[in-house]
Parts: sequence; structure tokens; C-alpha cells
Amino acid sequence: NAGVTQTPKFQVLKTGQSMTLQCAQDMNHEYMSWYRQDPGMGLRLIHYSVGAGITDQGEVPNGYNVSRSTTEDFPLRLLSAAPSQTSVYFCASRPGQGRAKNIQYFGAGTRLSVL
Amino acid sequence: RKEVEQDPGPFNVPEGATVAFNCTYSNSASQSFFWYRQDCRKEPKLLMSVYSSGNEDGRFTAQLNRASQYISLLIRDSKLSDSATYLCVALTGGTSYGKLTFGQGTILTVHP
Repeated sequence: NAGVTQTPKFQVLKTGQSMTLQCAQDMNHEYMSWYRQDPGMGLRLIHYSVGAGITDQGEVPNGYNVSRSTTEDFPLRLLSAAPSQTSVYFCASRPGQGRAKNIQYFGAGTRLSVL
Repeated sequence: RKEVEQDPGPFNVPEGATVAFNCTYSNSASQSFFWYRQDCRKEPKLLMSVYSSGNEDGRFTAQLNRASQYISLLIRDSKLSDSATYLCVALTGGTSYGKLTFGQGTILTVHP
């Protein structure tokens, strides 16, 4: 069972560079989300999607874009990296329906440093 | 005020001890609650859901008090392997996308 797969695991960027964090799930989940985790801040929602073709902003969306062209994939794009985006990023998915609809599964995370 | 608040700890307890964590939530419309466990440098994983009547899973007991808007997690007979950060989570939302709000986490260290 692959579950939620994130790549890369580590990344170092220079200020102003752009990049895409990849996320894929093989559980046919409807809902997918991106979070960032910073010390003392907990997990904060960046963007989320309730299905292919549908995305919406979370709590801290500025500087990030997402798209959901398929059920499986939910990439997160950093448009112009800033040091404030240094963080650990987690992709997550949950069924969205059924008895376990709100049980969330996380990818292993991407540790991003912006210099 | 944060929507979900936890005592960050750290809690340092000996093996075999009983330890309890509390978590408060501010949104009275929150419908469902969960405890997640996060090991160092790993992703969060579901520990247990929290039911209105309280529920137990082995050495772990979760309680919900809607009137006071807090949930708790009790760990009995602590093991070294219980050392982790415990995240309290509240779900708010109707029939559409429900927002999961995470607390900052409570750090637990169990020592020999």
C-alpha cells in the first residue's frame, strides 16, 4: 500500500526560485490537502481540493498554487520562494465519504529550506 | 485565541506511569475530534477518534466534554515507544468539506 506519496523529501531553494512539490495518493480519496508545519504553529492548511478540478484556499495560501487535474495527483507550486516558506510540507488525503470519511492520511513530508 | 489549544509540554514520565493530555477547542460547531500521533521527523498518524461517550483502545482512553469544549487523552502503563507528539484535531463543517484544525501538539517523553 503506497498511500500518500510525496516528492522530494528534501529541497533547498534560493530566494526567488520556483518549484513544485508532488503529491499522489492511490486510495481513490476525494479530498486532498496541503499543510505546512512550523515550530510552535502546528499544522496550517495551505490549499485543499474536494475533487478533480476543484480547489480552494486554506489558512495560509499566499505564495502557493495548486491544481487537481486527476483524483490521484495534487501538486503544490511555490511561485517565487521566500525564506518565510522554509518549513515542512505535508500532503494529506481523506475519503470524503463513508464511515471513515474524515480519517486523514499524510505523506512523509517535504523539508524545504529557502536561502 | 487559537481554535484548538494544547499544553505543549513536554511531559516527561517514567515507564509504567499514567499520563493525561487535555485539549480545548473554541468553535462550538466542531463536530468530530481525533487524536493523532507524530513521531520525530515523521508524518502524523491517526491514533484514535474521539466519541461522545468516550472510547478506549488498549491503554489509550479518549474523552469528550462538549459542555466545556475539551477533549482528553489518557495513556496508561506508558511505554518507551509512546514517546511522540500528540496532536488534538477538531473537525468543523457541514456536509461539504469539513475543516480539520490541528492543535500545536503535546510532547511526551517516556524514560526508563
